[in-house]
Amino acid sequence: DSGVTQTPKHLITATGQRVTLRCSPRSGDLSVYWYQQSLDQGLQFLIQYYNGEERAKGNILERFSAQQFPDLHSELNLSSLELGDSALYFCASSPSGQGDNGYTFGSGTRLTVV
Amino acid sequence: AQSVTQLGSHVSVSEGALVLLRCNYSSSVPPYLFWYVQYPNQGLQLLLKYTSAATLVKGINGFEAEFKKSETSFHLTKPSAHMSDAAEYFCAVSDGYQKVTFGTGTKLQVIP
Repeated sequence: DSGVTQTPKHLITATGQRVTLRCSPRSGDLSVYWYQQSLDQGLQFLIQYYNGEERAKGNILERFSAQQFPDLHSELNLSSLELGDSALYFCASSPSGQGDNGYTFGSGTRLTVV
Repeated sequence: AQSVTQLGSHVSVSEGALVLLRCNYSSSVPPYLFWYVQYPNQGLQLLLKYTSAATLVKGINGFEAEFKKSETSFHLTKPSAHMSDAAEYFCAVSDGYQKVTFGTGTKLQVIP
């Protein structure tokens, strides 16, 4: 157990639908990062939050949004889902907003869009 | 700007043979370097990290990596491969201020 909790582990939904993925960071970590991993695109950085504020943005589609709440858990919202959104979505956390300590990853949410 | 290049998206070794996974980095300042391992259907797990204390870094499961500034490399090695080492390995870099940048990964196959 890495200390980073992601729910749900698996999600199957239809095209056009909206889903919410949840992440609880490791205790004491202030930063949360979201990644998408697919066979053809590899590991893609989506977005980073630090202590409730957006810190960095990567290849995140406009249909996707995220937020970090006062208790530091984060949610990634995916809307108007397409078949190509099927992927593993990882959350990672770190103590600070910087990269010197590396990240701790959760076990991921596998999203299947049918 | 910071980046990492992992040479070889797939590497195959025989059980008991040396494992060598290559990583070259680019960073404008002394870097922090990391190796992560991902087993099927799991998240990435930190294997080891370099933070300038020593050039040879030992990690979990018998892996180690050597930081070579002159070659801008941080290759991952293990003297003797086990079947359980079959996984995908990611090299990553950070300048300490920006977020971590990951390489594209190398899938290690161990042949019995």
